[in-house]
This record gives sequence, structure tokens and C-alpha cells, in this order.
Amino acid sequence: DVKVTQSSRYLVKRTGEKVFLECVQDMDHENMFWYRQDPGLGLRLIYFSYDVKMKEKGDIPEGYSVSREKKERFSLILESASTNQTSMYLCASSATGATNEKLFFGSGTQLSVL
Amino acid sequence: AQKVTQAQTEISVVEKEDVTLDCVYETRDTTYYLFWYKQPPSGELVFLIRRNSFDEQNEISGRYSWNFQKSTSSFNFTITASQVVDSAVYFCALSEAGYGQNFVFGPGTRLSVLP
Repeated sequence: DVKVTQSSRYLVKRTGEKVFLECVQDMDHENMFWYRQDPGLGLRLIYFSYDVKMKEKGDIPEGYSVSREKKERFSLILESASTNQTSMYLCASSATGATNEKLFFGSGTQLSVL
Repeated sequence: AQKVTQAQTEISVVEKEDVTLDCVYETRDTTYYLFWYKQPPSGELVFLIRRNSFDEQNEISGRYSWNFQKSTSSFNFTITASQVVDSAVYFCALSEAGYGQNFVFGPGTRLSVLP
């Protein structure tokens, strides 16, 4: 069964802390994504990566950074967490192909910043 | 610019009723892809369908059906004889060819099917 696994389902952090959200996929996908989900706003793209050590900014990259040292792992980093980063974070992956391939999603990490 | 609108924020139906979830999109491209995803309470988005812009044929899969109309830029999703297990948030998404890795999602429609 193919999977995208996010390390934590729920996370509580304090303002100013450095936060790491980890995502691992076992499908040998080239592309990986981090989305943020907020009520009424749908999913918004934070960063994506189409290859190891490559990254591209999405629509809302401010306050976030990413790391992709291995093909299967894509990490989202909040350098100094703030309360407005309280949200559901979703990781996804997809294969590179001639057509726009579907995304496979993890179960999400609900982050609360106090 | 790409945009996806799901005007229905929340819908409640009684089990066995039919329900249609609306999706309207905006794009300047002639080649694009449309998707529907289901997000049950567990949180993981589950892929339901992908349709490219050159294929306007409607699709049926069991109790699910999709109506793609380029003339109105709509890609609506109908559940026939709804069941409690259909309760979820449903997202419509758009991806333009050439920007294959950039999906734009609608805000989602929360469907509640009551027993």
C-alpha cells in the first residue's frame, strides 16, 4: 500500500520555537509538496520540490523553509513559530509524467502555536 | 491566473438523497486538468477523479458522477443515494499543463449526510 507519512498528527509548540514537520513517501516520487489548510481558504501551497536538494516557493512561503536531502523525505521548517502559523499542514507527493499526475497526501499535522 | 470556486461552504442532506457539489474554475490555458478530492475526518485527502480539458465526456463511477462543461467552466460532482460514509470535505482542484506541479484548490465543501 503506497503511503505518504507525516511524523506527527498533532503538535503543540510555543511562539518562537523552531518547528520541524517531517514527511516521507515510499512511492519513489520525484515531486513533493507542503500545503497549509485553513477553513474557508482551501489548501495553499507553501513550497514544493521536484528533485533532491531542489525547492521552489509556492504561494505562501514567508516564515517557512524546506529541506530535501533524500528523495523520499521532505521537511518543512518553521524557523520561529508564530501564532498565525497555527494550521493543518499537509504533505503530498506525485510522479513526474507527461500529464499532470494526481497528488498523494499524508494524513496531515495539526499544529498549534501558543 | 488560476482560480477555483466552490460556492457551497456546507451542505447537509439526509441519507439516500442525491447531492451535487459545484465547482467553477478560471484559467487562461487551453490545456488543463481538473480534480476532485475527498477529505474524510481522518484528514488524508483521497483522490476521486482527474479530467483533462479535452475530455468533456461525463463520467460515472458507482454512486459518483461528474459533469464537465467547458462552456460554463464548471466541473460538478454528484453523489447519488448518499450514505453517511460520504460525509467529508470535498475539494475541487485545477492544474494547468506546463505547471504540472502547481495545483490550485477550491475552499472545499463540507458535506454532512445525516442518517
